Amino acid sequence: EDQVTQSPEALRLQEGESSSLNCSYTVSGLRGLFWYRQDPGKGPEFLFTLYSAGEEKEKERLKATLTKKESFLHITAPKPEDSATYLCAPSSGGSYIPTFGRGTSLIVHP
Amino acid sequence: DTGVSQDPRHKITKRGQNVTFRCDPISEHNRLYWYRQTLGQGPEFLTYFQNEAQLEKSRLLSDRFSAERPKGSFSTLEIQRTEQGDSAMYLCASSGGGNQPQHFGDGTRLSIL
Repeated sequence: EDQVTQSPEALRLQEGESSSLNCSYTVSGLRGLFWYRQDPGKGPEFLFTLYSAGEEKEKERLKATLTKKESFLHITAPKPEDSATYLCAPSSGGSYIPTFGRGTSLIVHP
Repeated sequence: DTGVSQDPRHKITKRGQNVTFRCDPISEHNRLYWYRQTLGQGPEFLTYFQNEAQLEKSRLLSDRFSAERPKGSFSTLEIQRTEQGDSAMYLCASSGGGNQPQHFGDGTRLSIL
């Protein structure tokens, strides 16, 4: 059974204080790993797809990286508008159904 | 630009009633997914369609849950004889198939009195 663990569960940062979120996964035959951002009362918003170990993707202050067992979402000089829950979801198997972690709730204080 | 839309956004009903939710996917997407999300958890996969074919339904939570996508366009999720434990956010997503990323609607929040 696919397993996904995200840490920390919650993270409070000051504006400008860089940090990283972790996603550890155990899946049989990784097809890809997705990162999403979710604001309260909204559906998840797609950020990145990573397909193979060593791959990196960047978007504004966010950079996602992938190893064979983990993915990291690095946040550089965050702003209050980066406050949200960040979800990771590896997909595996022939149906490509992703398994979502519980997310990391990020709060960035001005 | 039209994304995934879900209706209604909120539903309050009494225990034992039947409820139906609608999802309109992004028009060019052939895959449509249903998820349930409870507070503090990530989305939990329920079922998915490729065009009008329901390819995975073993993870629907019970036989009270059913989904349809009659013409390969919009989809409905029905819960019969609702229970307190059915209170959650029900999310719909669509994708272009294969390993394409899923794009989510803003969900239907179900509250059971």
